[in-house]
Amino acid sequence: DTGVSQDPRHKITKRGQNVTFRCDPISEHNRLYWYRQTLGQGPEFLTYFQNEAQLEKSRLLSDRFSAERPKGSFSTLEIQRTEQGDSAMYLCASSFDGRGSDTQYFGPGTRLTVL
Amino acid sequence: GESVGLHLPTLSVQEGDNSIINCAYSNSASDYFIWYKQESGKGPQFIIDIRSNMDKRQGQRVTVLLNKTVKHLSLQIAATQPGDSAVYFCAELTGGGNKLTFGTGTQLKVEL
Repeated sequence: DTGVSQDPRHKITKRGQNVTFRCDPISEHNRLYWYRQTLGQGPEFLTYFQNEAQLEKSRLLSDRFSAERPKGSFSTLEIQRTEQGDSAMYLCASSFDGRGSDTQYFGPGTRLTVL
Repeated sequence: GESVGLHLPTLSVQEGDNSIINCAYSNSASDYFIWYKQESGKGPQFIIDIRSNMDKRQGQRVTVLLNKTVKHLSLQIAATQPGDSAVYFCAELTGGGNKLTFGTGTQLKVEL
C-alpha cells in the first residue's frame, strides 16, 4: 500500500493524558498536512510542513498541540493534557509540490476519544 | 471571509440515476477546487479537481462544473451506484495554496 498511513487508527484516553499520533506520507511527497474533523463537519486545517519545516499553523492549534517532521518524511502530532473537546478524527494528508499539482491525498485518520 | 458551503445536507437518488451535488464558495480569488468522497470511518478520497481557468472537467462517471460568475461548483455523478453512497465535500485551496477549506458535506444515499 503506497498511500498515506496513520497510526493508531483509534485512541481512547483519559482527560489530562498525552497522546501522540504518527503519519507516514506518500513516498516522495514533500508536503504534509494535519487536519481535524469533528462529527458532521468537514476537515479543518491545523498545520502543514514543507519537508522538515513547519510553515503554517492554524489558530485551532493551541499550545497543547505540537507537530514535528524531523527528517522530512513521517510526522507526529502530540496533544498534551487532553481535553474532551479534543475528541475528533485527526487526518493527515500529503502532496507533492513541484509538478503543478496541489492535490492532497488523505490517510485513514486517527479517531481520538477523550473520556 | 472565506467559506465553502453546500446547499443540501442529504441527497437521495435511485440507483442508475444521475446525482448532482452543489457547492457555493465566497472567495472570488479562489483558483482551485477539489471534490472529495468520504465513506464512514475513512479519510477523504480525492475524486476530481478543477482550476478557475476551466468551467468543466470530466473524469470517470464524474463531471465537475465551475461557474465563477455566481461562485458555484457542482459535482455530477452519472449512473449512480450503491458504492457511491458517502459524504461528498467540496474544498477550496486557500492560504496561498497551502490549506484546504472544506464545507460541511452532502450525504449521498443511493436507493436500490
